[in-house]
Amino acid sequence: DSGVTQTPKHLITATGQRVTLRCSPRSGDLSVYWYQQSLDQGLQFLIQYYNGEERAKGNILERFSAQQFPDLHSELNLSSLELGDSALYFCASNRAETTQYFGPGTRLLVL
Amino acid sequence: QKEVEQDPGPLSVPEGAIVSLNCTYSNSAFQYFMWYRQYSRKGPELLMYTYSSGNKEDGRFTAQVDKSSKYISLFIRDSQPSDSATYLCAMSDDSGTYKYIFGTGTRLKVLA
Repeated sequence: DSGVTQTPKHLITATGQRVTLRCSPRSGDLSVYWYQQSLDQGLQFLIQYYNGEERAKGNILERFSAQQFPDLHSELNLSSLELGDSALYFCASNRAETTQYFGPGTRLLVL
Repeated sequence: QKEVEQDPGPLSVPEGAIVSLNCTYSNSAFQYFMWYRQYSRKGPELLMYTYSSGNKEDGRFTAQVDKSSKYISLFIRDSQPSDSATYLCAMSDDSGTYKYIFGTGTRLKVLA
């Protein structure tokens, strides 16, 4: 168990809908990272937050947004969902060191 | 060309074999090199972490980094069926964001 929690574990929704994925980092970790993992693309970095502020951005679509709250948990919002958004979404956290610890992921299926 | 290249496999080996997993990369700014193991439908789990060049050993696992060749390796000795998983390499630079670039992963199957 990495200490990173994610909810929900599974999510099934329809195209055009909006969903929110939640991540709680390890105790004491200030950084949260979001990744998308699909079969054909591998693990893709989406966005990083550090202590409430956006720190780095990767291949995140404009339809997606994220935030980190004062208690350091983070939410990833996915809107106007398309079939191609079906994937595993992971969050990871760390402190100052580089080692990132991953949560169990949320499996999103868009029908 | 992708920044990090990794053979997707699958790689099948008999139990007890030595396994060699590799990644190549193009960005010379990468300084941190990680190997993660991912079981089906689970989150990636950190196996090895190396800074800059050199070797690092942890039990049955050895990580090697050759920055001159932009090539990293993970060796698994005395492989076990429980090692069957997807192995992901990841890399990061010194920019301070610790943004990881991942390889696509190599599927490994160790046959009993």
